Amino acid sequence: GAGVSQSPSNKVTEKGKDVELRCDPISGHTALYWYRQSLGQGLEFLIYFQGNSAPDKSGLPSDRFSAERTGGSVSTLTIQRTQQEDSAVYLCASSLGPGRGGVNEQFFGPGTRLTVL
Amino acid sequence: QKEVEQNSGPLSVPEGAIASLNCTYSDRGSQSFFWYRQYSGKSPELIMFIYSNGDKEDGRFTAQLNKASQYVSLLIRDSQPSDSATYLCAGRGDNYGQNFVFGPGTRLSVLP
Repeated sequence: GAGVSQSPSNKVTEKGKDVELRCDPISGHTALYWYRQSLGQGLEFLIYFQGNSAPDKSGLPSDRFSAERTGGSVSTLTIQRTQQEDSAVYLCASSLGPGRGGVNEQFFGPGTRLTVL
Repeated sequence: QKEVEQNSGPLSVPEGAIASLNCTYSDRGSQSFFWYRQYSGKSPELIMFIYSNGDKEDGRFTAQLNKASQYVSLLIRDSQPSDSATYLCAGRGDNYGQNFVFGPGTRLSVLP
């Protein structure tokens, strides 16, 4: 398919373990976003990659969270020493680069449901 | 701090009625606005975007933008139970590197 894909779809881990979540954006999309959504809550922005520019990390909740985007395509979100409050659905989205005309909407992946026991 | 505000709801309307969802934003630099629908347990999906003042219609949906009042709305005509979902409003600027800012979402319930 041509949509945003994420893996794994579900991840159960023990408190204190590290986890890696993967996002494959739509081909040709230069912008990639990570969000976190807890049950019944809105989208919490985590990090934003735009082309080769330095990422906007302003939403990362602590230094246990980091993300990389290799070759301007695939991105990995890493959570070190997971805590129970990290349990949430982690959503990735991609879009074309910014421009005029409002055609640069985000397309969301299916998410990774993370459960920290 | 750039913010997008929405009433969290739930907004309940009877089937066949018009549902009106509202959104205000604080950043006058925001140029484009997006309405996403999110069913429970699913990812957000785009319904409409708007970037010019006035109305934009697509089927049963009409988006309205008033930049002077910093106000965006979504009207759903002939509401159906299948429209029951959370509706997210988002804004972004057009400058390179500007991010999307999402509101908390409004939960809509269409009663049969």
